[in-house]
Amino acid sequence: GDQVEQSPSALSLHEGTGSALRCNFTTTMRAVQWFQQNSRGSLINLFYLASGTKENGRLKSTFNSKESYSTLHIRDAQLEDSGTYFCAAEGGNYKYVFGAGTRLKVIA
Amino acid sequence: NAGVIQTPRHKVTGKGQEATLWCEPISGHSAVFWYRQTIVQGLEFLTYFRNQAPIDDSGMPKERFSAQMPNQSHSTLKIQSTQPQDSAVYLCASSSRGQDTQYFGPGTRLLVL
Repeated sequence: GDQVEQSPSALSLHEGTGSALRCNFTTTMRAVQWFQQNSRGSLINLFYLASGTKENGRLKSTFNSKESYSTLHIRDAQLEDSGTYFCAAEGGNYKYVFGAGTRLKVIA
Repeated sequence: NAGVIQTPRHKVTGKGQEATLWCEPISGHSAVFWYRQTIVQGLEFLTYFRNQAPIDDSGMPKERFSAQMPNQSHSTLKIQSTQPQDSAVYLCASSSRGQDTQYFGPGTRLLVL
């Protein structure tokens, strides 16, 4: 079965609001990376975590390897945040397994 | 730092033709990865090189697909006798070590007619 379960699959946010994306892992993962895929298809690095929490501007991400999940929080959403967000997890064998993605639409 | 460079950005081939995709990793990165993205399957790992040596090709289709890394500055993914189901975005990524942040190129969008 899928090792990375990402939710929600789609999300609409009004500008200025926030929400959380989540990835659950069915096996032990060593590290997780979060990406935004923009309209041109480029994967933009957001975070790389081997543990704990990182914050960058309006984004914050947490990785809990013991409880097998990672979250990405977006606050004060802006129109340019629209896109598809992916988590990718690595189980110690250097291969990333990607979630199915969350399609985020920010509405004015 | 130009990031990971992939060429061509778009490629259209006829069924049965060969397609070669190129990747230039970030200078100084020793690990190179290839992934494929389709609507149905999402993002899938294909193959991995470290210090130019092939480490893992478990994601590569057994027939028609091959990858090489002849020097530290580029890797190629070759698809022989392309089929419509090979249509996808092929993404290359590099990292400074195998287990580290992976930086992705813009991808090559392959369309097989």
